[in-house]
Amino acid sequence: GDSVTQMEGPVTLSEEAFLTINCTYTATGYPSLFWYVQYPGEGLQLLLKATKADDKGSNKGFEATYRKETTSFHLEKGSVQVSDSAVYFCALSRSNAGNMLTFGGGTRLMVKP
Amino acid sequence: DTAVSQTPKYLVTQMGNDKSIKCEQNLGHDTMYWYKQDSKKFLKIMFSYNNKELIINETVPNRFSPKSPDKAHLNLHINSLELGDSAVYFCASSAGNVDTQYFGPGTRLTVL
Repeated sequence: GDSVTQMEGPVTLSEEAFLTINCTYTATGYPSLFWYVQYPGEGLQLLLKATKADDKGSNKGFEATYRKETTSFHLEKGSVQVSDSAVYFCALSRSNAGNMLTFGGGTRLMVKP
Repeated sequence: DTAVSQTPKYLVTQMGNDKSIKCEQNLGHDTMYWYKQDSKKFLKIMFSYNNKELIINETVPNRFSPKSPDKAHLNLHINSLELGDSAVYFCASSAGNVDTQYFGPGTRLTVL
C-alpha cells in the first residue's frame, strides 16, 4: 500500500537558519504530493503541493520539488522564523483511491530567536 | 467565514456511550473526509465520501459510521466508545477526487 516517510523530529533551529525536512514516498501510479502545516492547537493548513514529476510547489518562502526518480518531496526554506514553529506533514493522494490522503508521521519544527 | 467547521470542539464521554461529531463545509465541495490523529500526532484516513461513493479504510471498526444528510455535511457517529477512540478527529473536504483538501479545526474526543 501507499506510504510516506519523513524525518523524525523535533528539529530545532535558530532564526534565519536553513530548513530541510526530508520526505519520501511509496505509491503506485502518479500521486499528488502535499505539505501540510499544523500550528499549535489548530487544524491542518495546506502549505504547498505538486501534482506531477518535476513540479515545484512554493508558498511563504517554503519550497518542495516532486522528484519521481528518488520518490521524494523534501521541504526547504532558506531562512526560518519563530512563527514557522509547527508540525509539518508530508502527504500523498491518488485520484483512483478516493483522493484520500496518506500522511507521514509529522515533523515538529522549533525555531528559537 | 469558516470554510470547514466541526462541532463540538471538545467531547468528553464515558466508555460504552454513543456520540456524534458534526462537520459542515460551505465551499460547495462534493467530497468529504474524516481523519483520526492519535496522541503521537499520526494522521490516518477513516472515510472518503461523495454522493456516489463511500470508501472506508479497512482498519476502521464498524462502530464508526459516516452519515451525510446533504452535500455540505458529513457527520461521524461512534457507537460503544472505547478508550482507544480518544484522539483528535478532523473533517476535510475537496472539490473532487483530485483536488486539495481543506481541513476543519478538529474535535478532541476523550473517552474516560
